[in-house]
Amino acid sequence: AQRVTQPEKLLSVFKGAPVELKCNYSYSGSPELFWYVQYSRQRLQLLLRHISRESIKGFTADLNKGETSFHLKKPFAQEEDSAMYYCALSGTGSYIPTFGRGTSLIVHP
Amino acid sequence: DAGVTQSPTHLIKTRGQQVTLRCSPISGHKSVSWYQQVLGQGPQFIFQYYEKEERGRGNFPDRFSARQFPNYSSELNVNALLLGDSALYLCASSLRRGADTQYFGPGTRLTVL
Repeated sequence: AQRVTQPEKLLSVFKGAPVELKCNYSYSGSPELFWYVQYSRQRLQLLLRHISRESIKGFTADLNKGETSFHLKKPFAQEEDSAMYYCALSGTGSYIPTFGRGTSLIVHP
Repeated sequence: DAGVTQSPTHLIKTRGQQVTLRCSPISGHKSVSWYQQVLGQGPQFIFQYYEKEERGRGNFPDRFSARQFPNYSSELNVNALLLGDSALYLCASSLRRGADTQYFGPGTRLTVL
């Protein structure tokens, strides 16, 4: 069975500090991985996906198949980064997307 | 484009009743997925429909059913409601079937008393 684990329910940092939101997955095949974000009073939206290999709003995420991880990183956190972040996995083949429980990021001024 | 729309916004039902939730995808999107999100958890996949056919099903009982119409809008039906069905129900649309970027609606908050 596929699984996504986000070990931190809450991550609190100060503005300008580096941020790393952890995501570990379990999947027997070749996964597609996503990070979704939900800002206060907004709907859930895509932040980035691993196949695009983009940097969005200063965030990057690298798929590490050896460690089965897809951690989200940003070198310098901004207050506007405060939001709920969800890691998600979709298997190639049968489509059953799996979301992690989410990490709430709070960036203090 | 208003994005994905869902109706109603909020709904209160009692145990044993039936409920229908509605979703309109982004124009041009042919795939609609439904998720259940309970407080403190991430969205849990219920169904995906593409071109009016079910293409994926999560681990939910048969009380949950859905359909997609020729205009690609979708309905989620839940029969014999239980207290545990209280949750935020999210609809998401995407261009393609499968592991494509999901565009989420605002959700329908269902409360079962």
